[in-house]
Amino acid sequence: NAGVTQTPKFQVLKTGQSMTLQCAQDMNHNSMYWYRQDPGMGLRLIYYSASEGTTDKGEVPNGYNVSRLNKREFSLRLESAAPSQTSVYFCASTMGNLKGAQYFGPGTRLLVL
Amino acid sequence: SQQGEEDPQALSIQEGENATMNCSYKTSINNLQWYRQNSGRGLVHLILIRSNEREKHSGRLRVTLDTSKKSSSLLITASRAADTASYFCATDAGSNSGYALNFGKGTSLLVTP
Repeated sequence: NAGVTQTPKFQVLKTGQSMTLQCAQDMNHNSMYWYRQDPGMGLRLIYYSASEGTTDKGEVPNGYNVSRLNKREFSLRLESAAPSQTSVYFCASTMGNLKGAQYFGPGTRLLVL
Repeated sequence: SQQGEEDPQALSIQEGENATMNCSYKTSINNLQWYRQNSGRGLVHLILIRSNEREKHSGRLRVTLDTSKKSSSLLITASRAADTASYFCATDAGSNSGYALNFGKGTSLLVTP
């Protein structure tokens, strides 16, 4: 099993450009999440999908959109990138109950100039 | 919101010594989890302790939870250079947030040979 995979690993954008971060998991997990991590900070929740077909805003959703394409895939889109969105983005998944740990992807490092 | 707060922010010890990190949180929880992050990598789940548990062990890890003080501690015994990483506590945000996690800012642990 690959676990949680993310693409791309690195990306440089200019202000105003758009891009989609891809995430996929092969653990048959119900719930998926997008977090961002800034230097010296913990992770902050951007959006989550508690189950296939549902998505909800987290703590810092402004400037982002998401799509739960199917049970495996959960993408994050930046429509018009801003320097404040320079960060490391992590996707995670879990079964979606109180029992489970979250499994994280390796992250996408994004630099917006 | 970042509910967990780790202490200390940074810790430097020698191989063989024990490392203790603390976490305080603000609201009631269902469970508390600890994660490790190696530099440039995603987070890896270490251990989960439920609100009705006081202590849990996993290998060289020992976690305690005091719900009356809203605090937890992670003890790593006989530390190794490979334990060098950042450690985060995370509390569950409950079913209304799809079991997303609220992370602290982390403790950076350096273990020198």
